[in-house]
Amino acid sequence: AQSVSQHNHHVILSEAASLELGCNYSYGGTVNLFWYVQYPGQHLQLLLKYFSGDPLVKGIKGFEAEFIKSKFSFNLRKPSVQWSDTAEYFCAVNADTGGFKTIFGAGTRLFVKA
Amino acid sequence: EAQVTQNPRYLITVTGKKLTVTCSQNMNHEYMSWYRQDPGLGLRQIYYSMNVEVTDKGDVPEGYKVSRKEKRNFPLILESPSPNQTSLYFCASSSGIYNEQFFGPGTRLTVL
Repeated sequence: AQSVSQHNHHVILSEAASLELGCNYSYGGTVNLFWYVQYPGQHLQLLLKYFSGDPLVKGIKGFEAEFIKSKFSFNLRKPSVQWSDTAEYFCAVNADTGGFKTIFGAGTRLFVKA
Repeated sequence: EAQVTQNPRYLITVTGKKLTVTCSQNMNHEYMSWYRQDPGLGLRQIYYSMNVEVTDKGDVPEGYKVSRKEKRNFPLILESPSPNQTSLYFCASSSGIYNEQFFGPGTRLTVL
């Protein structure tokens, strides 16, 4: 069965620190990869996505992620976090099997200290 | 405004009392999905639909039913709710498998 692992459940950083959130998935075939963010009191919204092509994808608000197929990973990065990045971050995988089955990771709560 | 709406936003009920959570989208999306969010478990897909009258099970379908009679609506039905269905539920829609999902505001359900 497919699964998605997010290594850190809680991360606390100071403003201007660099961020990397890990995401690994288990599925041997073609996958579509997503990072979603949930700001306090708001809906989940898409940060970035990868389907094919350049494995380094850029999203909104300065976030980027790198797909490393050999490591089954899709880690999220930001060079310098801001207080407003405090949120919960979810990695999600949709396997290219023709259906709409989507597996989410457990999420990482990021708190950025001002 | 393009959006996914859910009703009710909050619901407290008792074990065994049938309930329906409605979901509607105004973006003409073909794909819709229901998730539940529980602490430490992230979002788990309950059911999804790829078009009218086409639905399929996600990872945790037990105890739930769905229907897709119209493109815009995708209600979630709990025929006999139990306390382990206490959770935060999200509806989402998408224009395609490879496209982002747009989420509703969530429905917080408590089953006593």
